Amino acid sequence: GAGVSQSPSNKVTEKGKDVELRCDPISGHTALYWYRQSLGQGLEFLIYFQGNSAPDKSGLPSDRFSAERTGGSVSTLTIQRTQQEDSAVYLCASSLDRGNSPLHFGNGTRLTVT
Amino acid sequence: AQTVTQSQPEMSVQEAETVTLSCTYDTSESNYYLFWYKQPPSRQMILVIRQEAYKQQNATENRFSVNFQKAAKSFSLKISDSQLGDTAMYFCAFMDSSNTGKLIFGQGTTLQVKP
Repeated sequence: GAGVSQSPSNKVTEKGKDVELRCDPISGHTALYWYRQSLGQGLEFLIYFQGNSAPDKSGLPSDRFSAERTGGSVSTLTIQRTQQEDSAVYLCASSLDRGNSPLHFGNGTRLTVT
Repeated sequence: AQTVTQSQPEMSVQEAETVTLSCTYDTSESNYYLFWYKQPPSRQMILVIRQEAYKQQNATENRFSVNFQKAAKSFSLKISDSQLGDTAMYFCAFMDSSNTGKLIFGQGTTLQVKP
């Protein structure tokens, strides 16, 4: 059906607050990725989920960042005690499986921390 | 660690002309995958073309083609007959063969197609 859906599209929050970003992958896609895109930069890998395996959290920049994927579908990226340097576009992608299956990206959530 | 470098922050081209975007990468692996993604103002990353490193033949998708030079670790994108809708940011990306699907991106090139 539809592509990868992310919400909210834009989020403005005050420094120190917690935020949750949501990603609905394409139905049937077992792999899900979160990336961060800072202004004028390329995409930085954050975390990867594949089926029921333990997630690859190697890209998370600090322990303020965490993510869950419930029921192998929807994922939530949580940033606690937000800092101004967390301001970026957070992109979610899903793929049919791991390996070289194409990644399908959502439109991202633009997070602004004031 | 693998790295991807795009040395052209911005480029412009006249409509209907051809433009080439550069990308170099660094890896010690022999088998991997390379991609070009397009990001229009909508922010959605759209796959333009991909290349398997073990294939010598350059990938082609309609007006988009690549020049893959494995020894030089170079992977440039050629856009022929440029159209206004090609205006976007273009990212080169690398994926190793570990089957995780993790992409390493370059910094991007902003391409403007002028009428």
